[in-house]
Amino acid sequence: EAQVTQNPRYLITVTGKKLTVTCSQNMNHEYMSWYRQDPGLGLRQIYYSMNVEVTDKGDVPEGYKVSRKEKRNFPLILESPSPNQTSLYFCASSDRGRTWTPLHFGNGTRLTVT
Amino acid sequence: AQKVTQAQTEISVVEKEDVTLDCVYETRDTTYYLFWYKQPPSGELVFLIRRNSFDEQNEISGRYSWNFQKSTSSFNFTITASQVVDSAVYFCALSASGNTPLVFGKGTRLSVIA
Repeated sequence: EAQVTQNPRYLITVTGKKLTVTCSQNMNHEYMSWYRQDPGLGLRQIYYSMNVEVTDKGDVPEGYKVSRKEKRNFPLILESPSPNQTSLYFCASSDRGRTWTPLHFGNGTRLTVT
Repeated sequence: AQKVTQAQTEISVVEKEDVTLDCVYETRDTTYYLFWYKQPPSGELVFLIRRNSFDEQNEISGRYSWNFQKSTSSFNFTITASQVVDSAVYFCALSASGNTPLVFGKGTRLSVIA
């Protein structure tokens, strides 16, 4: 089954404790992206990657890191989480090709930083 | 710069009413793609439709219809005879061709009351 898998689904952590949210897709998509969703702010892009070893900042990259060493994986790293990073996070992928195909989203990771 | 505006933050309708969700976009590109996504209370993001800038034909899919008008830079979404299961947050999104990532509006929360 074609899917984007995020883990964990829920995570509660404390300020400053490094964490990684994993994202993997099995569709051989070139494009992958991370979004955060906050009430009243919609979906805001954190980082995106057009292909392996190519990553770019989105609208709200501060406090986050990503890597794209393999096509299928695109982990989101919070080196020193802070309470303002409490949010719902979505990973997404799509096949770039000639046109933008619809994004396939993971089921989300709800992160709480205390 | 690209921008998507969903001016309606929340809409509440009674079941069986028709409802239109507005989406206004800004882009300087002549080739671009517009999308609608649905986020039901369960939280996942579901793709509804994609439209490219060269296709201004309106589209109907069951009770859903989309009105794309380049002259007003709008891509509105109408639900006919709304049902409780239509209750969700709906996002409009824009992607230009090339390396421009997807940009989302802030979403419209639709509540359909029985």
